[in-house]
Amino acid sequence: DADVTQTPRNRITKTGKRIMLECSQTKGHDRMYWYRQDPGLGLRLIYYSFDVKDINKGEISDGYSVSRQAQAKFSLSLESAIPNQTALYFCATRGPAGVDEQFFGPGTRLTVL
Amino acid sequence: GENVEQHPSTLSVQEGDSAVIKCTYSDSASNYFPWYKQELGKRPQLIIDIRSNVGEKKDQRIAVTLNKTAKHFSLHITETQPEDSAVYFCAAKAASSYKLIFGSGTRLLVRP
Repeated sequence: DADVTQTPRNRITKTGKRIMLECSQTKGHDRMYWYRQDPGLGLRLIYYSFDVKDINKGEISDGYSVSRQAQAKFSLSLESAIPNQTALYFCATRGPAGVDEQFFGPGTRLTVL
Repeated sequence: GENVEQHPSTLSVQEGDSAVIKCTYSDSASNYFPWYKQELGKRPQLIIDIRSNVGEKKDQRIAVTLNKTAKHFSLHITETQPEDSAVYFCAAKAASSYKLIFGSGTRLLVRP
């Protein structure tokens, strides 16, 4: 689904570095999400946003922060990366109330050494 | 808190056989149950979903059943093909929530 894009697609960094993952969408959706995927753990919600003024913590927000720069852009930051943040990160969007399907970006594979 | 358990974690079937993946949810207020398929190296994509006002939904070779009393729902794939090989995730959402709670995933392998 090219309507939801993520950059970078792959990133290797070192412990203690600040990292930003970016998500953009052309679907016109207000709701955006950041998930982390680890083997055997499924998709876990980090943060979600209903609009540029509304940001909410998910189940595993510690060590992460987000910024909703515009309706179309939602960034995830790791202020000081640590090795157990090595994972596959997905951004997702969702349409208006009453429409529950979430549309995922292609993912960012992050490795923290 | 809200929780979705998914079984089995891995499933291997012969091409042409059926595959069944089961999920149990904890929040009795859940009313939306999607299934996502994630092929190797790709993003999760919705393949079928069901709402709590129906007990079963079919789309060609895939079907989902829901038992609200037992709080579990299942994905059924018939006449499996090698291209069905992927990781499948179930999820649940309550009407009052904006969050999907995902199961841990099932890796399905269809042997030619």
